[in-house]
Amino acid sequence: GIQVEQSPPDLILQEGANSTLRCNFSDSVNNLQWFHQNPWGQLINLFYIPSGTKQNGRLSATTVATERYSLLYISSSQTTDSGVYFCAVERDNYGQNFVFGPGTRLSVLP
Amino acid sequence: DAGVTQSPTHLIKTRGQQVTLRCSPKSGHDTVSWYQQALGQGPQFIFQYYEEEERQRGNFPDRFSGHQFPNYSSELNVNALLLGDSALYLCASSRRGYNEQFFGPGTRLTVL
Repeated sequence: GIQVEQSPPDLILQEGANSTLRCNFSDSVNNLQWFHQNPWGQLINLFYIPSGTKQNGRLSATTVATERYSLLYISSSQTTDSGVYFCAVERDNYGQNFVFGPGTRLSVLP
Repeated sequence: DAGVTQSPTHLIKTRGQQVTLRCSPKSGHDTVSWYQQALGQGPQFIFQYYEEEERQRGNFPDRFSGHQFPNYSSELNVNALLLGDSALYLCASSRRGYNEQFFGPGTRLTVL
């Protein structure tokens, strides 16, 4: 099956700093999403981005499908950005067998 | 517009018991997928339901079963609970033909 790697596994930032999270995947995909899991376990949709670049406020994401990686950029980080960031991919359509990476745990210090 | 809802929020069971978890999809969605997330790991796909049928299944034993109702809501049943079944169970919904999935808040199951 498809393999998903995320780096770094852990990241500690001072409030206001910028960061880049990376997701590598082993095969071509039809779906790629970035999620933020808050301390209560809720997975919050950040981006649906199988290819290209998107921006939403302080967050942006780029997926280079031909090179099988995606990047999530967080600018001017805030303490509320803390949590675990997951990349998830799907080879097929319709959300079947959606495969998650191991996550990047981000801690933003005041 | 209500998002994906799950019940109950928390559940404590003992080994050997059976459990049923429930999920209501986001309005306009017809497909429901279930995931298991062990502590410190990413969610793992259990199975997906569409048109009241199981469409695809991950690497989980037959103790895990499900159902989808005509209103698109879904249940996840786990029989003969093991300690290793303790996890956060997440439900996701999507609309057929659209790949983006939306997740519910999860049910935290503890097996003692």
